[in-house]
Amino acid sequence: DSGVTQTPKHLITATGQRVTLRCSPRSGDLSVYWYQQSLDQGLQFLIQYYNGEERAKGNILERFSAQQFPDLHSELNLSSLELGDSALYFCASGSGIFSGNTIYFGEGSWLTVV
Amino acid sequence: GDSVTQMEGPVTLSEEACLTINCTYTATGYPSLFWYVQYPGEGLQLLLKATKADDKGSNKGFEATYRKETTSFHLEKGSVQVSDSAVYFCALSPFTGGGNKLTFGTGTQLKVEL
Repeated sequence: DSGVTQTPKHLITATGQRVTLRCSPRSGDLSVYWYQQSLDQGLQFLIQYYNGEERAKGNILERFSAQQFPDLHSELNLSSLELGDSALYFCASGSGIFSGNTIYFGEGSWLTVV
Repeated sequence: GDSVTQMEGPVTLSEEACLTINCTYTATGYPSLFWYVQYPGEGLQLLLKATKADDKGSNKGFEATYRKETTSFHLEKGSVQVSDSAVYFCALSPFTGGGNKLTFGTGTQLKVEL
């Protein structure tokens, strides 16, 4: 158990809908990361927050948004969903923002868009 | 930009065989290097890491040495077990102050048979 909690574990929704994925980081970790894992794209970095502020942005679509709240939990909002958004979405957390800091991953949220 | 290249899988080995999974990277400066493992139906777990040249990371019988001159971080184990069957990801974290997001390779599936 990494200490990173993600909900829901599985989600099935229709095209055009909106979903919210939730992440609770490990106790004491200030950084939260979101990754997308799909068969064709592999593991893609989406976005990082550190202590409530956006720190780095990757290949995140404009239809997607995220935020980190004062209690440090984070949410990833996916809207106008398309079939291609079906993937495993990982949240990860770490204590800092420097290279070499270990990043711990949750078990992921499986999103299926039908 | 930064990138990680690792050998294609699947790799199929008999129990007690030697394992090498090749990983090379492209990055500016001195990134930190990681190996993560993903067991079926689970999230990513950190296996080992190295944060500077010539460092050797080790864990659970696995080893990898950070080779700056060849930009490589090959994963090795002297005697694999059936329980090592999983997907292994090589990753790097850049040496910058702009966030420490991980860039992953495509993953190598390892199957160990009796």
